Amino acid sequence: DQQVKQNSPSLSVQEGRISILNCDYTNSMFDYFLWYKKYPAEGPTFLISISSIKDKNEDGRFTVFLNKSAKHLSLHIVPSQPGDSAVYFCAFGAGNMLTFGGGTRLMVKP
Amino acid sequence: NAGVTQTPKFRILKIGQSMTLQCTQDMNHNYMYWYRQDPGMGLKLIYYSVGAGITDKGEVPNGYNVSRSTTEDFPLRLELAAPSQTSVYFCASAPSSYNEQFFGPGTRLTVL
Repeated sequence: DQQVKQNSPSLSVQEGRISILNCDYTNSMFDYFLWYKKYPAEGPTFLISISSIKDKNEDGRFTVFLNKSAKHLSLHIVPSQPGDSAVYFCAFGAGNMLTFGGGTRLMVKP
Repeated sequence: NAGVTQTPKFRILKIGQSMTLQCTQDMNHNYMYWYRQDPGMGLKLIYYSVGAGITDKGEVPNGYNVSRSTTEDFPLRLELAAPSQTSVYFCASAPSSYNEQFFGPGTRLTVL
């Protein structure tokens, strides 16, 4: 039973353009939503989060959107930079636990 | 602050051997977690703890044990290593639920 899906295993974007990463979920009990970024040989690092009562949260170049009715979470990065090249995980919280998506490898080309 | 530290960084085990993965955090966080990440996959929760003396199972606890005797330390024990336990293991901590989790650098374990 896959509660979370990141449907795009990889994404390639030109520097300066927008990167859009998407996740879908099925568990209605999820009530907080996060994005993590991971470089090779390092642990994931927190990027941005949103609570269930909001539909948008911005932090600099990063914006997270939540569509609860569609059970859809997205991350927009604009403008994309080569240093943004990493694996991005969506994560969904319910109680004490997080459930992670499978990750999307973002490659930003100069 | 060192944050979350994990030892060892790498380890190769033979089938049936046992080992303990160490995790320490210096942020005085009550919540600690152990995850495993298989190649090309997301993180799966093994065990977590909401405070010293309290542990609970996550999504994939079979073959592992944990203890939490102090706020700082949360070791993960593999008693009888199996090839299916070949993975990268991440420890994380958080001040509470509904907060971001801070991750360690990971331990890459291979069981042959």
